[in-house]
Amino acid sequence: GENVEQHPSTLSVQEGDSAVIKCTYSDSASNYFPWYKQELGKGPQLIIDIRSNVGEKKDQRIAVTLNKTAKHFSLHITETQPEDSAVYFCAASKGGRDDKIIFGKGTRLHILP
Amino acid sequence: GAVVSQHPSWVICKSGTSVKIECRSLDFQATTMFWYRQFPKQSLMLMATSNEGSKATYEQGVEKDKFLINHASLTLSTLTVTSAHPEDSSFYICSAMGLAYNEQFFGPGTRLTVL
Repeated sequence: GENVEQHPSTLSVQEGDSAVIKCTYSDSASNYFPWYKQELGKGPQLIIDIRSNVGEKKDQRIAVTLNKTAKHFSLHITETQPEDSAVYFCAASKGGRDDKIIFGKGTRLHILP
Repeated sequence: GAVVSQHPSWVICKSGTSVKIECRSLDFQATTMFWYRQFPKQSLMLMATSNEGSKATYEQGVEKDKFLINHASLTLSTLTVTSAHPEDSSFYICSAMGLAYNEQFFGPGTRLTVL
């Protein structure tokens, strides 16, 4: 089955700097890669996703890149703000309606004032 | 965007009792719902997938007789933790997928504490 590795587990960056979180996956059949932000005591919220027919996608300060050959995908947050502090999860799925989403272990992002 | 709610948001129960958690899709019809479990500072682990009107598909290692899932309508799925024990204490999160959408929408989670 699919296995998703996520690094780092904890990341501290100065406010205004960029943060990068990296993930790898094992199943070459996976073609949908969502990223979720989870705040304390809440459910995860989708912040951006990418499908295997695209290499990069950007939404304001957030961007995701995908390298299907290497089975790598990354989340980039620029101009970080205090409200970006949260736990971020990468995930992978085959993208079908009933296909399960496999989550990485999460990255706790701290934005330092 | 689509909204998924869970009820209750938190529950405390005594060991040996059963607890029911509801997951509702508020503004769309959810053909598939997923139930996850999350221990503190850990990732989400899929417990089961349920399709409306059919039996749930449980992940390996999840006891289907202990975690009863019912998806009786297109807007409601329930998870019942039977004979709960302290080790069942966790954060339970559901997600829902509808025909009109190509992504899962997550509920806010239910924190279960078993004394």
